[in-house]
Amino acid sequence: NAGVTQTPKFQVLKTGQSMTLQCAQDMNHEYMSWYRQDPGMGLRLIHYSVGAGITDQGEVPNGYNVSRSTTEDFPLRLLSAAPSQTSVYFCASSSSLDSSYEQYFGPGTRLTVT
Amino acid sequence: GQQVMQIPQYQHVQEGEDFTTYCNSSTTLSNIQWYKQRPGGHPVFLIQLVKSGEVKKQKRLTFQFGEAKKNSSLHITATQTTDVGTYFCAGNSGGYQKVTFGTGTKLQVIP
Repeated sequence: NAGVTQTPKFQVLKTGQSMTLQCAQDMNHEYMSWYRQDPGMGLRLIHYSVGAGITDQGEVPNGYNVSRSTTEDFPLRLLSAAPSQTSVYFCASSSSLDSSYEQYFGPGTRLTVT
Repeated sequence: GQQVMQIPQYQHVQEGEDFTTYCNSSTTLSNIQWYKQRPGGHPVFLIQLVKSGEVKKQKRLTFQFGEAKKNSSLHITATQTTDVGTYFCAGNSGGYQKVTFGTGTKLQVIP
């Protein structure tokens, strides 16, 4: 199993550009999430999904869209990039089959907006 | 909203010394997880605590969940250079996505 994969690993955008960060998992997990990590602020939840076709907002959703058409994929779209969105983005997945809330994280995407 | 604070933010220790990081929530938690993130890497799950007063051990790591389920700690005995990284707690107040991560404690081990 590849686990959770993310592409690209690095990206530089100009202000106002849009892009999609890809996330895929091959563990048949129902739960998937997007976090951003900024220095000194831990991980903050952007959007999450509890299954295909179901998404909801997390703590910091503004400027981002998500969709979940399949169990495997959970892309994150930046609508109009801003310098404040410079961050490291992690995708995570988790199983709904037991009482563990263990999340499996992807390797991350380092995004710089100039 | 729920807030989860971690202290200290940074800790430098000599190899062989002990290390402790503390996690405090503004609300009662249903469970708490701990993660380790190596420099340049991604968070990796270490453990989950569920019961009030629970204590779990993994080799040199000891995890505790407070009696009131509002705080937790991670203690590492006799640190090694392989322990370097940032340790995060993640508190859950109910439901899969009611998870709030702490700000993390960055551990540096001096050989």
